[in-house]
Amino acid sequence: KNQVEQSPQSLIILEGKNCTLQCNYTVSPFSNLRWYKQDTGRGPVSLTIMTFSENTKSNGRYTATLDADTKQSSLHITASQLSDSASYICVVSGNTGGFKTIFGAGTRLFVKA
Amino acid sequence: DVKVTQSSRYLVKRTGEKVFLECVQDMDHENMFWYRQDPGLGLRLIYFSYDVKMKEKGDIPEGYSVSREKKERFSLILESASTNQTSMYLCASGRVFGQPQHFGDGTRLSIL
Repeated sequence: KNQVEQSPQSLIILEGKNCTLQCNYTVSPFSNLRWYKQDTGRGPVSLTIMTFSENTKSNGRYTATLDADTKQSSLHITASQLSDSASYICVVSGNTGGFKTIFGAGTRLFVKA
Repeated sequence: DVKVTQSSRYLVKRTGEKVFLECVQDMDHENMFWYRQDPGLGLRLIYFSYDVKMKEKGDIPEGYSVSREKKERFSLILESASTNQTSMYLCASGRVFGQPQHFGDGTRLSIL
């Protein structure tokens, strides 16, 4: 069964600290993996996209890594800001007998002053 | 700036009503999608369209239909609304088949 699992479900950190969010997937064959940020009351916004051959991609203070062998990805946030408070969603696309895009349930991040 | 615009942010309807949710994109994307988002669950695909008048069922199409008469507009229709269709509905568009890229800000629909 194709699945995308994210951990933790929620996380509270202090402003200025770093954090890492995890994503494990079973989608095969794999096409690409995206990380989205979703602010409360808004639609998701794409942060990074990685294909099979890429193992790291940065977007400002956000750095995503991908290990296609272990089917794991992480999103690292450096020097967190209050505006980083949001849900972070891992999305995996693959060609599994018809193209499939599967969303994780997200990690809810709270950044406190 | 690229935009996916959903016609309503909040909507309250009654059980049994026919409900229309509208979505417009200005990026000339071939592919458009409708998802619903419920707490604790990932986004679930209701329908997507890869061209004008073309549509494909997603994972949870029951109780819904769609219409794509123009490239920029994709409508979601709840034929006879039920309380279990209370949810956040998100529209998206994208260039690559099967992959959403840009999302609208969602319509929070309540069925009473």
